[in-house]
Amino acid sequence: DGGITQSPKYLFRKEGQNVTLSCEQNLNHDAMYWYRQDPGQGLRLIYYSQIVNDFQKGDIAEGYSVSREKKESFPLTVTSAQKNPTAFYLCASRPQGARAGELFFGEGSRLTVL
Amino acid sequence: AQSVTQLGSHVSVSEGALVLLRCNYSSSVPPYLFWYVQYPNQGLQLLLKYTTGATLVKGINGFEAEFKKSETSFHLTKPSAHMSDAAEYFCAVSDLEQAGTALIFGKGTTLSVSS
Repeated sequence: DGGITQSPKYLFRKEGQNVTLSCEQNLNHDAMYWYRQDPGQGLRLIYYSQIVNDFQKGDIAEGYSVSREKKESFPLTVTSAQKNPTAFYLCASRPQGARAGELFFGEGSRLTVL
Repeated sequence: AQSVTQLGSHVSVSEGALVLLRCNYSSSVPPYLFWYVQYPNQGLQLLLKYTTGATLVKGINGFEAEFKKSETSFHLTKPSAHMSDAAEYFCAVSDLEQAGTALIFGKGTTLSVSS
């Protein structure tokens, strides 16, 4: 079945550690996105990528980094510079030519900083 | 810049009652509009979308929404609530003015359904 796989589902980290969240899709979609979700704040855009080897900052990129070396993969690194990293992280994708169409979402990764 | 406002962070209804979740948007161009549903600790699932054409849009699970340009609204309704409808609902707009066109989301409305 085609879809978006995020891992790990739950992750605990100590302060000062970098962590990387995985996002893999087998939908052959060109564009991929990372959102952060906090209670009562909806979804906020962290980074997005429209093609391989290219990505742009979203509204809250500080303290995060991404790479897009393969079409299928768009990992997100939460660095120690992110002041409040505890949140639910959602990866999404969209096919080329569907510039204004819906996004397809993964199941999310919940990061807790201890 | 485009934005989405969802009126009411929590809505409670009885099973069998009408569900009405409100969404207003601001946009300088005709928008594409979406409603998503999220169950606890899961991703978002598309309920329905409006792009062009008929302003009354039907989606999954008996939900529908009507695009009203004059009111800049896209309210979500369902005639009769089921217990399984309890979830968080997000309204979103597609930013047609920017390349990349990530969706812009409202803050969400939690729907509770009581028996």
